[in-house]
Amino acid sequence: RKEVEQDPGPFNVPEGATVAFNCTYSNSASQSFFWYRQDCRKEPKLLMSVYSSGNEDGRFTAQLNRASQYISLLIRDSKLSDSATYLCVVNRDRTNAGKSTFGDGTTLTVKP
Amino acid sequence: DTEVTQTPKHLVMGMTNKKSLKCEQHMGHRAMYWYKQKAKKPPELMFVYSYEKLSINESVPSRFSPECPNSSLLNLHLHALQPEDSALYLCASSQPGTSSLTDTQYFGPGTRLTVL
Repeated sequence: RKEVEQDPGPFNVPEGATVAFNCTYSNSASQSFFWYRQDCRKEPKLLMSVYSSGNEDGRFTAQLNRASQYISLLIRDSKLSDSATYLCVVNRDRTNAGKSTFGDGTTLTVKP
Repeated sequence: DTEVTQTPKHLVMGMTNKKSLKCEQHMGHRAMYWYKQKAKKPPELMFVYSYEKLSINESVPSRFSPECPNSSLLNLHLHALQPEDSALYLCASSQPGTSSLTDTQYFGPGTRLTVL
């Protein structure tokens, strides 16, 4: 079993749709959680950190469920510009520069 | 300013060449990373430097040699590479700490390497 598993996708949705991605992690010692987006042939860019209390940034909402060991990302009112690969990232060791484990990514295509 | 810069943007090299990739950040971060990313795959960690000391080497072949001359700079020296080493090489930095705010990684734009 992979340490971090994401919905395989791809997701193809019309503009204005709401789409949700899930990510599960296997190491219960994991400490910090992130969603990154990566456009084709570009570097990953931080979208959101994910907190137990949940957090929202405009059309984006991230949730963490430590008991079930999963994180989610909800995108409301999808825009064409949301088309990208979304990477779930889990860090185990918070006290030093520790390993980040990346999910394989979920590709989203928003169509007119 | 959350900028990490990398040079060169593109690099084509033969299997007998020696070249170096460079990464720089001025965010005061004390952790720096090298990742390798193949098409349609997530980044794979290669090396981590924490406070200018190599803390993680993910069993990377010795034809890749990292160097951290100071807290702002990270180099990756390349020698005798193979065609399968062709990939996007990403540098990232973060501030080691005890919260999500501090161990967030910021990525540079990458160097696209082609080995002939």
